[in-house]
Amino acid sequence: DAKTTQPPSMDCAEGRAANLPCNHSTISGNEYVYWYRQIHSQGPQYIIHGLKNNETNEMASLIITEDRKSSTLILPHATLRDTAVYYCIVRVAGVGGSQGNLIFGKGTKLSVKP
Amino acid sequence: EPEVTQTPSHQVTQMGQEVILRCVPISNHLYFYWYRQILGQKVEFLVSFYNNEISEKSEIFDDRFSVERPDGSNFTLKIRSTKLEDSAMYFCASSETGGGYGYTFGSGTRLTVV
Repeated sequence: DAKTTQPPSMDCAEGRAANLPCNHSTISGNEYVYWYRQIHSQGPQYIIHGLKNNETNEMASLIITEDRKSSTLILPHATLRDTAVYYCIVRVAGVGGSQGNLIFGKGTKLSVKP
Repeated sequence: EPEVTQTPSHQVTQMGQEVILRCVPISNHLYFYWYRQILGQKVEFLVSFYNNEISEKSEIFDDRFSVERPDGSNFTLKIRSTKLEDSAMYFCASSETGGGYGYTFGSGTRLTVV
């Protein structure tokens, strides 16, 4: 699986958009980008994933560059409850347990401030 | 919203003893996982389980570890001959497709080996 690089920490003002970058310059054509987050010591929470098109759901938007070497997770209106560690993970989207290993890095610690 | 339930929330055991961590995955999910997180460190993959057998396991998952789905609802992680270094938060997760997205994690069991 391709490696990812994320800034260790970021701050964001409450109500503003939080833009979390991720570099994955060695990504392969069949690898997806997944974002999870971990609030305090809770279990990780799935946010969004994508292959090459931009994606949006009720939690966030995912912008993937045309060359797919980087992506940005956007939380459009960050709240204090969005304070968490955000993980960008790249892996093949194989169906089945043999591809079930999500490799978590250190992620970006996002602090949303009032 | 469906949840993955883990019990107990905190388990203290003496070194050398056996522990069983229990999880109830989401009912229509077919893929099951255990991860762990040592305090202050990354979330680490232990094992994935599908169709009543282990699909993939990490180096951490040595022969002291075993998993079982004893009935249609529970998924357990057993650790024999526990060591001090087994102290960690253990997260159970389940997913419908195993494709890397939409994993639902439980809130974890904090295992302390003394």
